[in-house]
Order: sequence, then C-alpha cells, then structure tokens
Amino acid sequence: AQTVTQSQPEMSVQEAETVTLSCTYDTSENNYYLFWYKQPPSRQMILVIRQEAYKQQNATENRFSVNFQKAAKSFSLKISDSQLGDTAMYFCASPTQGGSEKLVFGKGTKLTVNP
Amino acid sequence: DSGVTQTPKHLITATGQRVTLRCSPRSGDLSVYWYQQSLDQGLQFLIQYYNGEERAKGNILERFSAQQFPDLHSELNLSSLELGDSALYFCASSGGPLPGRGFYGYTFGSGTRLTVV
Repeated sequence: AQTVTQSQPEMSVQEAETVTLSCTYDTSENNYYLFWYKQPPSRQMILVIRQEAYKQQNATENRFSVNFQKAAKSFSLKISDSQLGDTAMYFCASPTQGGSEKLVFGKGTKLTVNP
Repeated sequence: DSGVTQTPKHLITATGQRVTLRCSPRSGDLSVYWYQQSLDQGLQFLIQYYNGEERAKGNILERFSAQQFPDLHSELNLSSLELGDSALYFCASSGGPLPGRGFYGYTFGSGTRLTVV
C-alpha cells in the first residue's frame, strides 16, 4: 500500500521564526507530483505548494519552500517568517499506485504559531 | 470561494437513516474525488469519478455509493448510517493530469459535516 508518513503530530514555533515539517512517502510512480495542503480551524483544505518529482529544483511559494529528496522519498515543508495565520494542520500528499492524480494524505502535523 | 461547492454544510441525522451529499466541481474540472475525514484523522479516499465514469475506488463501505451526473456534479449517498460515520466529508475536483500540462492537485470544497446521533 502507498503510504505517506508525517512523523511530527504537533509542532510549535514563535512568530517570525522558521519551522520545518517532515514528510516521507512511498510511491512506485515514475513521474508524479507532491503536495502540501493546509487546513486552518475553518477546516477548508488549501493548497500550499506543489513539487514536480522530475524537477531537481525545490519549489518555492513566497514564505513556503520544500526540501525534496527524491532518492530518499522525502518531502519536507519549510515555513519562513512564521505568521499567526499559519496556525493550521498541514497535510503532505503523494500519488497512489495506478494514477498520478489519485492522492494519499498523511495524518497531518498540527502547527501552532505563538505570538 | 474555491469554486467547488458542497451542500449541505452541516447535517445531523439519526442512526439507520440515509443522506445525500452534493458536490459541484470547479468549472472545467472533469474529475471529482470524495474523501472522509474523521476526528483527528487524515483524509481517507473514498471514490473518484472522471467525466461521469467511476475511475478509482478506495475504502468505501458498501453502504456508501456515489455517482457523477452529465453536468459533472456528484452525489455521495450514505445509507444505514452508524455513529462511526460521523465525519467531515470532502469533495475535491481536478482537471488533470492533462497531456503535456501536468497535475496541479485538487481544489477542495468546504466539506459537509455529518453528525449521526
């Protein structure tokens, strides 16, 4: 079975500091995409960042960036200059076998940004 | 507004009952996915439809069924409800992957909170 593991159930960070959320995955796909989603208290699922597995360059979206290590199947999310609005559950997602558009999600990391 | 519309937002019903959750995908998206998120759990994939056809099936109970209509909206039917079915049910849509264009992930609706009492 395809799995996504987020080893940190909860994390906290001070406002303006940097935090890294870990994720490892297991897929047999060759060309695939990886995603981080954010779920704030409103429960809405919001796409944070996307990584194309065949690109060596790590994706960046403003304060959010990834450290993608394809051989190790590792896909961590770095949040710089943390803001109170970053408080949320963060889910890592990778494709399952049989179709790169079908995603399996990790159990999530609950991030709290403290003032 | 994500462009994916789910109704109703909240639903409270009794055990043994049947409910229907509705989803309208983002304009232009052909794929619809249903996920279940129980308390303190991640998202569990239920089923995917693509342009009216079932494309993939996950851990969907036999008491649950879904369909996608010609106008691409989808419905998830949950019957003989049990207390353990209480969860947040998400619908998501995507337009891909499309040849040469890649896959840009899902757009999620705001979910339907189902409470079975």
